[in-house]
Amino acid sequence: KQEVTQIPAALSVPEGENLVLNCSFTDSAIYNLQWFRQDPGKGLTSLLLIQSSQREQTSGRLNASLDKSSGRSTLYIAASQPGDSATYLCAVYRGAQKLVFGQGTRLTINP
Amino acid sequence: KAGVTQTPRYLIKTRGQQVTLSCSPISGHRSVSWYQQTPGQGLQFLFEYFSETQRNKGNFPGRFSGRQFSNSRSEMNVSTLELGDSALYLCASSPYGQGGAQETQYFGPGTRLLVL
Repeated sequence: KQEVTQIPAALSVPEGENLVLNCSFTDSAIYNLQWFRQDPGKGLTSLLLIQSSQREQTSGRLNASLDKSSGRSTLYIAASQPGDSATYLCAVYRGAQKLVFGQGTRLTINP
Repeated sequence: KAGVTQTPRYLIKTRGQQVTLSCSPISGHRSVSWYQQTPGQGLQFLFEYFSETQRNKGNFPGRFSGRQFSNSRSEMNVSTLELGDSALYLCASSPYGQGGAQETQYFGPGTRLLVL
């Protein structure tokens, strides 16, 4: 059974800092891994998708890496801003239209 | 293109009642998946529909059911509501529906269900 773990569960940093969120998964047979953002009471916004054959993806201040062999992914956020405050979820996809999610990291950026 | 829409956005029911939630996927998307999100269990997969057929199902009791119409709109139904069914129910649609490394899902805003 695929399990996804995110560490830390919560993180609070001052504005302007660079930070890293971690995601680990137990079964490396995945098609892709996605990072999502969720604002309180809202749906999910896809940030980055890394296909299994890729090592990283970048979008603006965000960079996500994938190491399938070790079952790990990281989301790097550069020059954090208060608007980055949200819960960040990683999810792995192994087919059957089913995403398996981690519990998320609740990020707070303090002005 | 309009995003995934879900109605209603908020719902309050009492134990024992039933409820129907609706999801309209992005135009052209044929795969619709449903997820339940609770503080304790996080996001869990309920089921997925493609071309009006349920293809995949998560580990939920039979009280949870769904269907998909010919226009790809989907509904999920929960019968005999329990307090533990209080959750945010998210619908997601997929452009490919065939699996593979490019597969991604686009999520709606969710329906927040409170069972009293």
